[in-house]
Formats: sequence, structure tokens, C-alpha cells
Amino acid sequence: DGGITQSPKYLFRKEGQNVTLSCEQNLNHDAMYWYRQDPGQGLRLIYYSQIVNDFQKGDIAEGYSVSREKKESFPLTVTSAQKNPTAFYLCASRPGRMNYGYTFGSGTRLTVV
Amino acid sequence: EDQVTQSPEALRLQEGESSSLNCSYTVSGLRGLFWYRQDPGKGPEFLFTLYSAGEEKEKERLKATLTKKESFLHITAPKPEDSATYLCAGDYNNNDMRFGAGTRLTVKP
Repeated sequence: DGGITQSPKYLFRKEGQNVTLSCEQNLNHDAMYWYRQDPGQGLRLIYYSQIVNDFQKGDIAEGYSVSREKKESFPLTVTSAQKNPTAFYLCASRPGRMNYGYTFGSGTRLTVV
Repeated sequence: EDQVTQSPEALRLQEGESSSLNCSYTVSGLRGLFWYRQDPGKGPEFLFTLYSAGEEKEKERLKATLTKKESFLHITAPKPEDSATYLCAGDYNNNDMRFGAGTRLTVKP
């Protein structure tokens, strides 16, 4: 079945550590997105990519980095520069054409220990 | 900045008690209005897309409607399995969607 796979489901980060969240899709979607979800707030866009080897910053890109070397994969690195990384991270994709809803992964919950 | 605002923040219903969730959005530049359902600890699941005022979409006990400045998600005779957070989102430039904070719905048996 087609879908988006995020891993790991839970991730613990020590202070000063970089961690990478995986996102893989087999839907042949062109566009991929990373969102952060905090309690009581809407989803906030971190980065997005509409084609391979190209990506743009969203509203809260500081302290994060991404790559898009393959159409299927869009990993997110949470760097030590991100001072408040504890959150639920969601990866999404959609076809490149307009007005399609997102398909979301099941999320990664990141906690700083 | 484009904005999407949802109300109420939380809603508790008895099984069978119909109600509506509200989503207000910035009108300028809206390309589409989306509704998603999110269960605890999971990613949102796409429900509906609405494009123009007067449009309606239905799925089981859910019906989404769109006016010139608001969208409503009507829930008819809800069941406990309808309990979830419902997210509204506006698509403004095809690069990303602006999400509301969601309405957390609890349906008691």
C-alpha cells in the first residue's frame, strides 16, 4: 500500500545533540513538507520541497535542516541550535498539482532529555 | 499574514447530539479549504476539500460547508468513534497550508 513512513516513532535527544528524523513516501508525490505540532497550536511549517534537490524554508526553519536527494525521501535534522525541540513532528506529501490534500505520516515525537 | 481560526477549542457531545465546528479564514488568496481528522498520537487524515462558497461535501456523519468567510463541519448524530481533533487548513499559494489549532471533539456514549 502507498503511504508515508516516518521513523522513529519516539526519539530522545540530549542537549547539544543533532538528531535526524526519517520520512519516506512511495506515493510518487512531488512535494514534501515538514511540520511541527505543539499542544494548543496549529501545525507550523518548517521546510518544504517541491522537486528533488530543491527546498525552501517555512515559518520556523531556524535550528533545522533538510535534504531532498531522492524524490521518495525528505529527512529532517534537528540541530543543537534549536533551543526548544520537544514537539510532535509530522511529514506530509502531495502531488505537485494544485489543490490536493496532504497525505501525512504517523509522526515522530521528539523529547529533549 | 494568512490566518485560519477554529472554534470552539473543545467540544463535548452526547452520542446522537448533533453540532457544528467553525473555521474562519483569511479570504484573500484562498485556493482551497481543507478539513482533516487527527487521532491522538497520529498524523492527520484528509477528509474534505472545498473550493468555492456554497460548496458542500459529505462523508458518513460529517458534512463540510463553505461560505465566503467561514467553513463549518457539521456532525450529525455523532458516535464515540467520531471523537478526535478536527483540523481546518487554508491553501493559499500551493506551497503550504495554514492550519488552525483544531477543535478537540469528545463524544460520550
